Amino acid sequence: NAGVTQTPKFQVLKTGQSMTLQCAQDMNHNSMYWYRQDPGMGLRLIYYSASEGTTDKGEVPNGYNVSRLNKREFSLRLESAAPSQTSVYFCASSLLDYELQYFGPGTRLTVL
Amino acid sequence: RKEVEQDPGPFNVPEGATVAFNCTYSNSASQSFFWYRQDCRKEPKLLMSVYSSGNEDGRFTAQLNRASQYISLLIRDSKLSDSATYLCVVSNDMRFGAGTRLTVKP
Repeated sequence: NAGVTQTPKFQVLKTGQSMTLQCAQDMNHNSMYWYRQDPGMGLRLIYYSASEGTTDKGEVPNGYNVSRLNKREFSLRLESAAPSQTSVYFCASSLLDYELQYFGPGTRLTVL
Repeated sequence: RKEVEQDPGPFNVPEGATVAFNCTYSNSASQSFFWYRQDCRKEPKLLMSVYSSGNEDGRFTAQLNRASQYISLLIRDSKLSDSATYLCVVSNDMRFGAGTRLTVKP
């Protein structure tokens, strides 16, 4: 039982490049989330998915897209990376909406 | 006013001390509250849920004050291993506080 896994762990991009961050959970949770964490800002919700087939914008969705591929997987895509997207990205899941969340180990992204 | 606010600290306390953190929230309709612990360069991990009646888990006590719209975390008999950043969460808003950094010193 791996919990929540994320790939890659680290990534360096040049401005304008695109990439997809992968997240998977094996806890049969319904809800999944993407956050970014910047120094002094805490975690901010980018997008979430209350169930398979649904996605909703969070606090800071601009510049990102998501796909809830199936119940297990929730990916985050940066179409044209910008230096302002340099951050640590965490994926999380919860059994139900608004309940306690389990986090993946994070992806450290640097955009040059 | 931020939706969830925490004193960023840092709190530097000696081993064995009692330390308390508060977290205020702005949405009076909020229903679910949690405290998470985050070690340096790691993911947040659930420390405890916060119930209306308050709850205790060993050296940790969490309380909710709906009238004043804040939650609190009390740590008694601090250990070196308690050094971390403590994040409060107002879950139905998906809002995290920025975290309070605690360092426990020998």
